[in-house]
Amino acid sequence: GESVGLHLPTLSVQEGDNSIINCAYSNSASDYFIWYKQESGKGPQFIIDIRSNMDKRQGQRVTVLLNKTVKHLSLQIAATQPGDSAVYFCAENWRDYKLSFGAGTTVTVRA
Amino acid sequence: EAQVTQNPRYLITVTGKKLTVTCSQNMNHEYMSWYRQDPGLGLRQIYYSMNVEVTDKGDVPEGYKVSRKEKRNFPLILESPSPNQTSLYFCASSLGQGHEKLFFGSGTQLSVL
Repeated sequence: GESVGLHLPTLSVQEGDNSIINCAYSNSASDYFIWYKQESGKGPQFIIDIRSNMDKRQGQRVTVLLNKTVKHLSLQIAATQPGDSAVYFCAENWRDYKLSFGAGTTVTVRA
Repeated sequence: EAQVTQNPRYLITVTGKKLTVTCSQNMNHEYMSWYRQDPGLGLRQIYYSMNVEVTDKGDVPEGYKVSRKEKRNFPLILESPSPNQTSLYFCASSLGQGHEKLFFGSGTQLSVL
């Protein structure tokens, strides 16, 4: 079965608010995690990654938090914009050459 | 422009009729991979290739074949498609070990009747 999952399949956010997308993973041996964004009709695009020796990493308007104690990963999007509407996937690497993807969270931004 | 190109974007076929979905990348990446995406299941890996002439099974390889004769191309072959292979397929590539910063193609929507 899936080793990576998301807490909620959908998330509705008001434009301008911050978004938090959660992901639980089950394999404590996972050492690398990635967030991807998939817009309608397109392939997934890399957003941000984090290694297991870190607990936080920031990018442009995005922050990924890793809590290894509870095996939880989150993606925070600051000042959510209409262009942020998409499906967001977390993925974990628990052995070489393979990534396991979660089922995804659909984020809808309300104007 | 750096990209992964898949063809075709849409394909409707019938059970048993062999088909090939092409994938090409222009980034000189060593690692390439095929995924299928189904509602509620996320992305599942079909096959991957670490370099020319080196391929291996992913999580759902049954009913698929691949080849890697050149670094840039990684076609996905369905010798005898069945309806349960109706899905959205993505090709991806990366520079390194394959689990970092995958670049995805735009997808191929396949329907097998």
